[in-house]
Amino acid sequence: AQSVAQPEDQVNVAEGNPLTVKCTYSVSGNPYLFWYVQYPNRGLQFLLKYITGDNLVKGSYGFEAEFNKSQTSFHLKKPSALVSDSALYFCAVRDTALYSSASKIIFGSGTRLSIRP
Amino acid sequence: DVKVTQSSRYLVKRTGEKVFLECVQDMDHENMFWYRQDPGLGLRLIYFSYDVKMKEKGDIPEGYSVSREKKERFSLILESASTNQTSMYLCASNQRDPTDTQYFGPGTRLTVL
Repeated sequence: AQSVAQPEDQVNVAEGNPLTVKCTYSVSGNPYLFWYVQYPNRGLQFLLKYITGDNLVKGSYGFEAEFNKSQTSFHLKKPSALVSDSALYFCAVRDTALYSSASKIIFGSGTRLSIRP
Repeated sequence: DVKVTQSSRYLVKRTGEKVFLECVQDMDHENMFWYRQDPGLGLRLIYFSYDVKMKEKGDIPEGYSVSREKKERFSLILESASTNQTSMYLCASNQRDPTDTQYFGPGTRLTVL
């Protein structure tokens, strides 16, 4: 069965410092991996995705993520955090080995990122 | 821009009431989804639909039903609301391509008293 884990409920970083939000996954086949962000009282917004190709994926708002097949990880990173990055971040995975009529994906439990000035 | 709208941002209902949550997307997407979001549990899939009049159960369908009579509209129905259905409900849509991202509505925060 496919699953995704976000081991940290909360990550606290000072503004200007690099940030990392961790994500690990488990699938039978090859994964499609996604990161979404949720600001207060809003729906989720897409940040970036890994489908195939280059392991380093760049996305919106200066975020990037690195696909590591051997460690089954897809950590979200940013070189210099902004206070406005404070939000709830979700990692998600779709297992390409599973047949489905719809592109059903599994979401992690979320990590709350807090950037202090 | 893709737009997914939900009929209400906040809703308060009483135990036993029948509740309808509506979702509309304007990008001609084949797939539509209903999730509930609870702290520490992330998003859990309730139902999804891959075509008009087609539906499949997600991970937590008990106590819910859905309707998709038109391609752009996907409704979630709570037949008899209970307090444990108090939650944030999120609708999403995307194309049939499995690499396509999901586009989310703003959410409906439902409180059942």
